[in-house]
Amino acid sequence: SYELTQPPSVSVSPGQTASITCSGDKLGDEYACWYQQKPGQSPVLVIYQDTKRPSGIPERFSGSNSGNTATLTISGTQAMDEADYYCQAWDSSTVVFGGGTKLTVL
Amino acid sequence: QVQLVQSGAEVKKPGASVKVSCKSSGYTFTDYYIHWVRQAPGQGLEWMGWINPNSGVTNYAQKYQDRVTMTRDTSISTAYMELSRLRYDDTAVYFCARGPGEYFDYWGQGTLVTVSS
Repeated sequence: SYELTQPPSVSVSPGQTASITCSGDKLGDEYACWYQQKPGQSPVLVIYQDTKRPSGIPERFSGSNSGNTATLTISGTQAMDEADYYCQAWDSSTVVFGGGTKLTVL
Repeated sequence: QVQLVQSGAEVKKPGASVKVSCKSSGYTFTDYYIHWVRQAPGQGLEWMGWINPNSGVTNYAQKYQDRVTMTRDTSISTAYMELSRLRYDDTAVYFCARGPGEYFDYWGQGTLVTVSS
């Protein structure tokens, strides 16, 4: 079965740039999206179709997807960005999530 | 505004079934697929399947093929997910989400299902 691999954790200092990767075989051939989830809350879509930001998502969130890796980049990271982040893509008619990355802002 | 409102928490015994509802508002219910995703305590997101509210056609993750049933009632813009033969490891928060394409743009608030004897 298809797998998406994310680092379990990423740390970043406030104001710096955080990058979270998502790896999967030929992932760049499919659209990838990203969700942010804070404790006790439902996931929120932050990037879809590789690079697009939904309305209301700050410009500091951006995405890319090429080859086998999709990347979520948060520029000028703020304390409020501390959360779990999940990538997601499709494999045939099946939805696949990455294992999630805990972003710590310290 | 788009809203997906789910039914309340459930406690079930092993072997029982649970049916979770997801009521949609703020858009045309039959225009968007509804997906179901679950999250065990402290774990990641796991996709369970989708239903096309217009046709009723479903597609289930292979892991749940023999235990899950997704239905809808278009008259009340509500989707349902029923999971049978519950096990302790089915304890999780179950989410519904709207799928306009390859992504999920609106999510329900989640329903905690606890399997306990």
